[in-house]
Amino acid sequence: QVTLKESGPGILQPSQTLSLTCSFSGFSLSTSGICVSWIRQPSGKGLEWLATICWEDSKGYNPSLKNRLTISKDTSNNQAFLKITSVDTADTAIYYCARRARIGWYFDFWGPGTMVTVSS
Amino acid sequence: VQMTQSPSYLAASPGESVSISCKASKSISNNLAWYQEKPGKANKLLIHSGSTLQSGTPSRFSGSGSGTDFTLTIRSLESEDFAVYYCQQYNEYPPTFGSGTKLEIK
Repeated sequence: QVTLKESGPGILQPSQTLSLTCSFSGFSLSTSGICVSWIRQPSGKGLEWLATICWEDSKGYNPSLKNRLTISKDTSNNQAFLKITSVDTADTAIYYCARRARIGWYFDFWGPGTMVTVSS
Repeated sequence: VQMTQSPSYLAASPGESVSISCKASKSISNNLAWYQEKPGKANKLLIHSGSTLQSGTPSRFSGSGSGTDFTLTIRSLESEDFAVYYCQQYNEYPPTFGSGTKLEIK
């Protein structure tokens, strides 16, 4: 059974760095073809793909945010991470991690999401 | 690639059939997925490759289309189907999503 769960700080101040953790089970990020992605949804807005990391450590970032994003993984502990630097109120959103399908850039399992609020 | 969903809101009664449209700003072949969002639950992949039902998706769901125009159809609505639906293209990088369609009980 594939499950994913996000965790984060809940609230942080503008200009800080947001650190998110995705803990998953039912698959391994050391298995060929497996990738984990981060996606977010600001309140009242649509979904936005942020970044993906794959089993061989390849990484992809949304060009609109690339300079601020860093994705990484801990294969031994079945975790993936995302850092976003210099946050502001526009980064307030629900952050999801999801497993990317092997055969295409869609997402076959999602976590429930974690709400992050950026506020002074 | 910009994805435009319509309508944004849709009200229907159990037993009815509904269709949701998703239009891409350029051709995406059949590289389109549909998801269901429900409060307190993880988003669920319903359909990929335009029309292929993901394992576990009820057969009352169907997807059609290719190129720029796609449709999600739900026949004989059940109470559990009232949710928000999103389309997503994965033909071009970065993957992008539609703005969602909220399906409400009439």
